[in-house]
Amino acid sequence: GNSVTQMEGPVTLSEEAFLTINCTYTATGYPSLFWYVQYPGEGLQLLLKATKADDKGSNKGFEATYRKETTSFHLEKGSVQVSDSAVYFCALSQTGANNLFFGTGTRLTVIP
Amino acid sequence: NAGVTQTPKFHILKTGQSMTLQCAQDMNHGYMSWYRQDPGMGLRLIYYSAAAGTTDKEVPNGYNVSRLNTEDFPLRLVSAAPSQTSVYLCASTPRPGLAGGFKNTGELFFGEGSRLTVL
Repeated sequence: GNSVTQMEGPVTLSEEAFLTINCTYTATGYPSLFWYVQYPGEGLQLLLKATKADDKGSNKGFEATYRKETTSFHLEKGSVQVSDSAVYFCALSQTGANNLFFGTGTRLTVIP
Repeated sequence: NAGVTQTPKFHILKTGQSMTLQCAQDMNHGYMSWYRQDPGMGLRLIYYSAAAGTTDKEVPNGYNVSRLNTEDFPLRLVSAAPSQTSVYLCASTPRPGLAGGFKNTGELFFGEGSRLTVL
């Protein structure tokens, strides 16, 4: 079946620190992979995505590379800001599917 | 620029009561879905609709859904139970989820959620 395993949180970092949130997946075939972000008091929004192996998704300084050999899609940012404090969800979808499979979410808090 | 609107934002009800969570989108999206979000569980799909007037999977016990038009997708708790305490998220996407699914878009547009507590 399909599943997503995310790094347990919460994660607390100082401003300008390097961020990595690990995400691995189990799926048949060639899923698409996503990172969603949920800022306090807001709905989820798409942060970045990758639709095939070796693709790199990027947005707002965040990056994630689709690694089929390690079934991973780790989220990274070189220098976090207080405004990056949010909950981050890794997700996957299969071709022809009508829903996303989400990880459990990782809460990030960035302190000044 | 409303996007996906959910009401109410918060609600408390007693076991056995019924209520309806409202979801509306103004983007003319064909596909709408309901997820629930629980601590340590991530998001879990409750139900989806590919287009107005269609039902696409079996509705889980304890819930009732309808899709009379493109814009609205209410979720009704028939007889609430404490296990239904959760944050309910409604989402929509312009792709109806037919062949190709989310392969090319992948972007769900979410509402802010409805936090429901069943005592």
